Amino acid sequence: DAGVTQSPTHLIKTRGQQVTLRCSPKSGHDTVSWYQQALGQGPQFIFQYYEEEERQRGNFPDRFSGHQFPNYSSELNVNALLLGDSALYLCASTMTSGRYEQYFGPGTRLTVT
Amino acid sequence: DQQVKQNSPSLSVQEGRISILNCDYTNSMFDYFLWYKKYPAEGPTFLISISSIKDKNEDGRFTVFLNKSAKHLSLHIVPSQPGDSAVYFCAASYDKVIFGPGTSLSVIP
Repeated sequence: DAGVTQSPTHLIKTRGQQVTLRCSPKSGHDTVSWYQQALGQGPQFIFQYYEEEERQRGNFPDRFSGHQFPNYSSELNVNALLLGDSALYLCASTMTSGRYEQYFGPGTRLTVT
Repeated sequence: DQQVKQNSPSLSVQEGRISILNCDYTNSMFDYFLWYKKYPAEGPTFLISISSIKDKNEDGRFTVFLNKSAKHLSLHIVPSQPGDSAVYFCAASYDKVIFGPGTSLSVIP
């Protein structure tokens, strides 16, 4: 039973570029959330997708957008990258009936230079 | 504005002794609390949770205590084992999940 998978593992981008990160949820899960974890901090909620729609959103600018596909996989897009976007990006999945016990992927380490 | 606080960045405990990790929150709307453990190069792993209608939940060596009046929860690990060495995140939710900054636990053999 595959857990949550994310790609790529590492990514280096230049300021102003755009990036797309990908996530496949755990089998049987239909809800995907994205988090940003800066060094020395806890994960910060970006948004959550369910039934291919953004259901909730944290305090992130519109440069951060996402998508969920019919197979429940998801993408996180970040436009006009800033140096401050350098972080570990975590994807988490859950069943809608799961009371917030989320399963996390290993993350994508994004470095913006 | 940090709604979930873990004021101890790190903690060292001798193997076999009790580890107590603390967490404070400010928002009285939170109705569900969780603890996650994170090893380097891995995503956080769910450990244990508690609803706001309870004051204690146990799962093996792990017990979470909730004091709603003090807006405080704690995670007790008894007995502590070297494999418990990791970063522990406290999280709280009502419509979305808010994580604390984490406490790095080192269990010394």
